[in-house]
Amino acid sequence: EVQLVESGGGLVQPGGSLRLSCTASGFTFSTYWMYWVRQFPGKGLEHVASLSLDGSDKYYVDSVRGRFTISRDNAKNSLYLEMTNLTPEDTAVFYCVRDLTSGYALEYWGQGTLVTVSS
Amino acid sequence: DIQMTQSPSSLSASVGDRVTITCRASQSMNSHLNWYQQKPGKAPKLLISGTSNLQSGVPSRFSGSGSGTDFTLTISSLQPEDFATYYCQQSSSGVTFGQGTKVEIK
Repeated sequence: EVQLVESGGGLVQPGGSLRLSCTASGFTFSTYWMYWVRQFPGKGLEHVASLSLDGSDKYYVDSVRGRFTISRDNAKNSLYLEMTNLTPEDTAVFYCVRDLTSGYALEYWGQGTLVTVSS
Repeated sequence: DIQMTQSPSSLSASVGDRVTITCRASQSMNSHLNWYQQKPGKAPKLLISGTSNLQSGVPSRFSGSGSGTDFTLTISSLQPEDFATYYCQQSSSGVTFGQGTKVEIK
């Protein structure tokens, strides 16, 4: 059974930093693109970042580029999102997501971890 | 990136109704258009990938179609468990989501 478990969310002050982790199981982690997707309170979904199998290709939404860094450790079956210079507008539930086997869709989602940026 | 516009943003329907949700892309795209269902407090669930490919376990009352800039999700006979929010998402150029359509009980 595919499982994605996020951790690392919490309350952080504006300008602060946070590192999200996602531990994967039930599939061969190193053979899938992985994503971070966030959902703003009561609102829609936004792709935050995506990462290729070996970590060499990375894509970010414009609003986080230069502040967030996606990475992975295939030996540990783990995906990460390093977030710096956080603002209240970054407050959201962050989901770790696995690509569809055939690609181009977001097939498996974690339960999400809430990041709240507030003073 | 391609921007996606969903319509309507919400709708009220009764059990048994046929429901259609539309997603329009800001430019012509390939078939990498996906649909998700989200219920309150839960993560989104992939329903349809590649415009029309129903995911395993998804009821056949759900279907997807479209090409170019216009794509559609249809629920042929709405069931009580289908009341939820639906999102389209494109992977043709970058990854972007529509703003969602909330399907409510009439």
